[in-house]
Amino acid sequence: EVQLLESGGGLVQPGGSLKLSCVASGFTFTTYAMTWVRQAPGKGLEWVSAISGNGGHIYYADSVKGRFTFSRDNSKNTVYLQMNSLRAEDTAVYYCAKNLRDGEATYDYWGQGTLVTV
Amino acid sequence: EIVLTQSPGTLSLSPGERATLSCRASQSVSSSYLAWYQQRPGQAPRFLIYGATSRATGVPDRFSGSGSGTDFTLTISRLEPEDFAVYYCQQYGSSPITFGQGTRLEIK
Repeated sequence: EVQLLESGGGLVQPGGSLKLSCVASGFTFTTYAMTWVRQAPGKGLEWVSAISGNGGHIYYADSVKGRFTFSRDNSKNTVYLQMNSLRAEDTAVYYCAKNLRDGEATYDYWGQGTLVTV
Repeated sequence: EIVLTQSPGTLSLSPGERATLSCRASQSVSSSYLAWYQQRPGQAPRFLIYGATSRATGVPDRFSGSGSGTDFTLTISRLEPEDFAVYYCQQYGSSPITFGQGTRLEIK
């Protein structure tokens, strides 16, 4: 059974930093791209960042480029989102999602989300 | 950036009825790279449809997707109580990936 478990959310002051983690299980982790999608309170979904299976390709939304860093440790089946220079508009539930296939940006499994409040 | 506009904003129907949700793109979505997700209150999104028409694993066949170019539709043939939720479309043919604002399907 595929499981994604996020952690690391919390309350932070504007300009502060936070690091989110997502531990994956139930699939061959290195084979799949992973993605972060966020959802501001009462709002819709916003794509944040994606990383390829081997970590060689990383993509960011313009709204977070230069402030957020997406990385993965395939030995630990874990992805990370380092968030710096946080702003009020970054307040959201952050979901970790597994891509259906490497190279295809659809998401067949999602974590339960972790709330970041700035 | 491709903007996806979903309509209606809210759809009020009764169990057993047919639901038709629309997603219109500001530009053509290449290769019909259009997906649909369902989100129940307090839960993460659930993957329903990809490639505009293909059902994800485990999705009941009362859910179907159609469309191409700029106009896409999610149809739920006979609504079950668990289908009342918010539905989002997503395009993944062009960067940046974008989502629609959602359609809330509520019980009438």
